[in-house]
Amino acid sequence: NAGVTQTPKFQVLKTGQSMTLQCAQDMNHEYMSWYRQDPGMGLRLIHYSVGAGITDQGEVPNGYNVSRSTTEDFPLRLLSAAPSQTSVYFCASSSTARTGTPNTEAFFGQGTRLTVV
Amino acid sequence: GNSVTQMEGPVTLSEEAFLTINCTYTATGYPSLFWYVQYPGEGLQLLLKATKADDKGSNKGFEATYRKETTSFHLEKGSVQVSDSAVYFCALSDPQTARQLTFGSGTQLTVLP
Repeated sequence: NAGVTQTPKFQVLKTGQSMTLQCAQDMNHEYMSWYRQDPGMGLRLIHYSVGAGITDQGEVPNGYNVSRSTTEDFPLRLLSAAPSQTSVYFCASSSTARTGTPNTEAFFGQGTRLTVV
Repeated sequence: GNSVTQMEGPVTLSEEAFLTINCTYTATGYPSLFWYVQYPGEGLQLLLKATKADDKGSNKGFEATYRKETTSFHLEKGSVQVSDSAVYFCALSDPQTARQLTFGSGTQLTVLP
């Protein structure tokens, strides 16, 4: 049972470089999201998607792009890396996306630790 | 907007001690409430949840009760073990905002033998 798979686990970038963090889930979940985790700040939502072809911004979207061409995949792109983007990034998915219904469990990947120098 | 305020850490306890981690929330609607746990080097895992007022979530000896009158969802365990050492996150999800989770800042728990 793979669940949510993130790659890579670790990455070091130079300022100005671009890269894509990969996220894939095999649970046929509609809802996927990206968070960044910084000390003392919990997890903050970057972007999310309620289904293939639909994405929207979260709390801290600047400097990041996403796309959702399939149900399974939700890559996060850093366009021009900055030291402020040094963080641990988590991808998550959950099964229901309809508003007004009780939430179900979100499943998280193991994270990508990104350092921008 | 929605927000979650969580007890400041870190918390250090001896094995078999009683644990309480406080969590209060602000929400515009009727949120679902969650506790997630993050073990070292791993992603977050759901520990327990409650979807309406007065619900009690429980798992692995941990409990939390959804208190609408005090807007709280405090995490408790009667006797902690070394294996409970982890970071604990309180979170809420407002059904009106398409499944977005709002997290507290996390509480690092260390249990000493």
